[in-house]
Amino acid sequence: NAGVMQNPRHLVRRRGQEARLRCSPMKGHSHVYWYRQLPEEGLKFMVYLQKENIIDESGMPKERFSAEFPKEGPSILRIQQVVRGDSAAYFCASSPLGQGAMGTEAFFGQGTRLTVV
Amino acid sequence: GQNIDQPTEMTATEGAIVQINCTYQTSGFNGLFWYQQHAGEAPTFLSYNVLDGLEEKGRFSSFLSRSKGYSYLLLKELQMKDSASYLCAVRDYRDDKIIFGKGTRLHILP
Repeated sequence: NAGVMQNPRHLVRRRGQEARLRCSPMKGHSHVYWYRQLPEEGLKFMVYLQKENIIDESGMPKERFSAEFPKEGPSILRIQQVVRGDSAAYFCASSPLGQGAMGTEAFFGQGTRLTVV
Repeated sequence: GQNIDQPTEMTATEGAIVQINCTYQTSGFNGLFWYQQHAGEAPTFLSYNVLDGLEEKGRFSSFLSRSKGYSYLLLKELQMKDSASYLCAVRDYRDDKIIFGKGTRLHILP
């Protein structure tokens, strides 16, 4: 049973380009979280998705950022017109649980390190 | 909203015991997690508490008091490989969102 898979592991983009980060949750998991982490800082919540549904995107910037989790395929975090301040590690985590259920841990992928030059 | 506080950095000696505290404020508590994160790596799960009390797992134990909004992670017989950041996270019952504190960087001295 493969863990949470993120790709690419490293991504370099020039200012103004688009970045697409992919996350395949663990088998059987239907919930995905995206977090951003700047060097020497904690994980900042961005968005929480179920299949074909955004549950909570309160942590995501209103402009340039979008996320989806289609019925088939991985979850995608898309950053348009990247700027240097977008450089960070982006982690995806997956969980099997739905709203109201007792919690167990979320499993993390290895992250995508985005560098904007 | 949610608010999670933990110390920024701590230092301890190899072989000793260290306690990392975490306080939180949330309206819809549905569990508290501790994760370990080595520099440049993904967070890995250490413990989960949803009821009051102490959960022991080898050298690591985690305690929760829901009435006080307080948890701690206890690490015994410290090893150099325990040098890492320790992240406290809280899950909200109402939306299942998991929010992390800023993490505590633990330095182990020989």
